[in-house]
Amino acid sequence: TQLLEQSPQFLSIQEGENLTVYCNSSSVFSSLQWYRQEPGEGPVLLVTVVTGGEVKKLKRLTFQFGDARKDSSLHITAAQPGDTGLYLCAGYNQAGTALIFGKGTTLSVSS
Amino acid sequence: KAGVTQTPRYLIKTRGQQVTLSCSPISGHRSVSWYQQTPGQGLQFLFEYFSETQRNKGNFPGRFSGRQFSNSRSEMNVSTLELGDSALYLCASSFVAGGRTDTQYFGPGTRLTVL
Repeated sequence: TQLLEQSPQFLSIQEGENLTVYCNSSSVFSSLQWYRQEPGEGPVLLVTVVTGGEVKKLKRLTFQFGDARKDSSLHITAAQPGDTGLYLCAGYNQAGTALIFGKGTTLSVSS
Repeated sequence: KAGVTQTPRYLIKTRGQQVTLSCSPISGHRSVSWYQQTPGQGLQFLFEYFSETQRNKGNFPGRFSGRQFSNSRSEMNVSTLELGDSALYLCASSFVAGGRTDTQYFGPGTRLTVL
């Protein structure tokens, strides 16, 4: 069974701090996706990483896919209150038919 | 282009009842997937419908079922509700090319509370 484990589960920081969220698996994924979900809303796709070792940047967010395609990380520089939310990593199962999600990291950024 | 819509947004039921949730996908999307989200288990895949046929199914009991109509709208049904069915039910629609599902776009979800 393919599993994605995220850490930390909760993160509470001050505005301006940096943080990293990790997504790990013992299985190889062809790609991994990162979503952000805000209260009362569904998850919104932030990025998809496809190639081992790939780094993608989205403003203050940096996403990295591990060389072996078993893990990924999300780094936020100078966090802002607007970054508050639930961050989820996800990847397709081996058949490519269903998304498997990590349990998420709840981030709270206070001003 | 309108996003994925789900109705109702909130629902309260009692144990033993059944419930039907509705999802209208983005125009042109023919694949609809359903997920259950709970604090303990996170987001878990229920099933996917494509062209009115269930194409994939997650590991949920038979009390959970669904269907898709010719206009791609989808419904999911949960019979004989249990307390543990309380959750946020999310649907996601996507475009399918070459048999593979493209990016999934999620609706806001239906919050089901079972008393």
